Amino acid sequence: AQSVSQHNHHVILSEAASLELGCNYSYGGTVNLFWYVQYPGQHLQLLLKYFSGDPLVKGIKGFEAEFIKSKFSFNLRKPSVQWSDTAEYFCAVNAGNMLTFGGGTRLMVKP
Amino acid sequence: GAVVSQHPSWVICKSGTSVKIECRSLDFQATTMFWYRQFPKQSLMLMATSNEGSKATYEQGVEKDKFLINHASLTLSTLTVTSAHPEDSSFYICSAREGGGLSTDTQYFGPGTRLTVL
Repeated sequence: AQSVSQHNHHVILSEAASLELGCNYSYGGTVNLFWYVQYPGQHLQLLLKYFSGDPLVKGIKGFEAEFIKSKFSFNLRKPSVQWSDTAEYFCAVNAGNMLTFGGGTRLMVKP
Repeated sequence: GAVVSQHPSWVICKSGTSVKIECRSLDFQATTMFWYRQFPKQSLMLMATSNEGSKATYEQGVEKDKFLINHASLTLSTLTVTSAHPEDSSFYICSAREGGGLSTDTQYFGPGTRLTVL
């Protein structure tokens, strides 16, 4: 069965700092990869996704992620975070008919 | 586009009551909908996959008689928690898959329903 791990449970950054959230998955076949964000009091929103093609995908709000197949990774990055990026971020892998989520990373950006 | 709604957003009920939660895709047809459960400070756990017009597929450990799922149309799936008990208190989230039902299609999530069983 596939599994997804997010290395950091909590991340605290100051505004303008760069962000990288790790995501690794275990599955030998073709996968589709997602990052979702959940702002406080709101529902899950799609940040970006990778299906095929350019392994560097750009999403909303200045986020990007890079799929490195050899490392089974799909890390999320943002060059300069803002206070409004405070949220919980979930990496998810779709293999077959099931979407499997990582444990989530809670990001707090200090103003 | 791709908006999913859930109703109610919060429900409080007495132990032994059955509670129905609705999930609707507002601007697209969803052949497949999913039901998740999220415990505090934890990730989402898939409970079941709901296909329009057929029986839901439950994940291991999820009681199908406890969590009844009906997907009667391409825009509506319901989850009924039967004879709810305090341990069923949780945040229930649905998602709907846009497109023709391919596994590669994106899932869009509803806002969730908080169930509190007293």
